[in-house]
Amino acid sequence: DVKVTQSSRYLVKRTGEKVFLECVQDMDHENMFWYRQDPGLGLRLIYFSYDVKMKEKGDIPEGYSVSREKKERFSLILESASTNQTSMYLCASSYLQGRNEQFFGPGTRLTVL
Amino acid sequence: GENVEQHPSTLSVQEGDSAVIKCTYSDSASNYFPWYKQELGKGPQLIIDIRSNVGEKKDQRIAVTLNKTAKHFSLHITETQPEDSAVYFCAASLYTSGTYKYIFGTGTRLKVLA
Repeated sequence: DVKVTQSSRYLVKRTGEKVFLECVQDMDHENMFWYRQDPGLGLRLIYFSYDVKMKEKGDIPEGYSVSREKKERFSLILESASTNQTSMYLCASSYLQGRNEQFFGPGTRLTVL
Repeated sequence: GENVEQHPSTLSVQEGDSAVIKCTYSDSASNYFPWYKQELGKGPQLIIDIRSNVGEKKDQRIAVTLNKTAKHFSLHITETQPEDSAVYFCAASLYTSGTYKYIFGTGTRLKVLA
């Protein structure tokens, strides 16, 4: 079974703090993705990566950065957290070729006070 | 860019009845259309998908139809059961930057009433 794990289920941070969200997958997937999920807005892509040290902006990259130093790990960084970044963050991974299915982690609910 | 509209946002059905969720996409280059189910406290999970060269696909109680001309695709769940209660997301997929990038709909909360 594919497993995508996220470092925290719940996180509370203060405005201005630097926040790291970690995601690890165990299926040797080339692609990894970070989404945020908000009521009425669905899932919106923040960043994705198709290889180690490679990254591409998604639809809403402002205020975020990412790091992929190892194939199995993809980190989302909020350099200076703001209250409008309070959201559910979902990580996903998939193969580069062949079937397109994305496998999701359980999510991290981040609250910025 | 691609835009995906999903309706309805909430849907309540009696157990045993059918449920239909509809999506519309804007970019005719999209060629892969997955449906994800998200249960409470979990990440979304793929339940069925369809490619643009196919008009319909079934898997037991669930089916997806695609109308490329109208840029519509729909999820059909028959004989609904309480465990079908969840949030469902459609997506349209474009090949970009060496990978398939999904644009998700806004989700449908399905409640199956016992």
